[in-house]
Amino acid sequence: DARVTQTPRDKVTEMGQEVTMRCQPILGHNTVFWYRQTMMQGLELLAYFRNRAPLDDSGMPKDRFSAEMPDATLATLKIQPSEPRDSAVYFCASGSGIQETQYFGPGTRLLVL
Amino acid sequence: KNEVEQSPQNLTAQEGEFITINCSYSVGISALHWLQQHPGGGIVSLFMLSSGKKKHGRLIATINIQEKHSSLHITASHPRDSAVYICAVRRGNKLVFGAGTILRVKS
Repeated sequence: DARVTQTPRDKVTEMGQEVTMRCQPILGHNTVFWYRQTMMQGLELLAYFRNRAPLDDSGMPKDRFSAEMPDATLATLKIQPSEPRDSAVYFCASGSGIQETQYFGPGTRLLVL
Repeated sequence: KNEVEQSPQNLTAQEGEFITINCSYSVGISALHWLQQHPGGGIVSLFMLSSGKKKHGRLIATINIQEKHSSLHITASHPRDSAVYICAVRRGNKLVFGAGTILRVKS
């Protein structure tokens, strides 16, 4: 059945390194969301796209984070340079519209040492 | 005060009990979501509401726009319902999450 996939599932890296997380939305979904979850802050919306165009990335630290959709089957979230405070689980979700049900990927667990 | 408040923070119930989780918000919204996060971390969207009530199996979600309040009910609870239940409200392009309610159903 159709699912949102995310890679990698786990990533351990050192402070200062670049991290790229990838998401494949469900085929046909035109809306993609990136979320971050930490123990302290809970779930936070970082950015979302509709029809590959970024609609809102105000939740994302602009100096080090960037999100793109090179094509309809791939969304990327990049952190450069990474910092220990970026350690979190990053979820991607897709849907057929901003007011529609979102389907979550399994998440990428990031640990920055 | 957080924009989205959930109660209780933790809930332990006996199998078969009727469960209610509450969500209150302080600003006008266009929609409210209920999410379920399993112990393994996976997140499932349960409901999206803008008014009234929705039902899916043993789960019922209601929203009162005037009172800025939503409830998630679980009838005939089961240990597999053990999870974190998260309320999120949509305001324009923003999605604001509650801290979650940790539910444990004992057999």
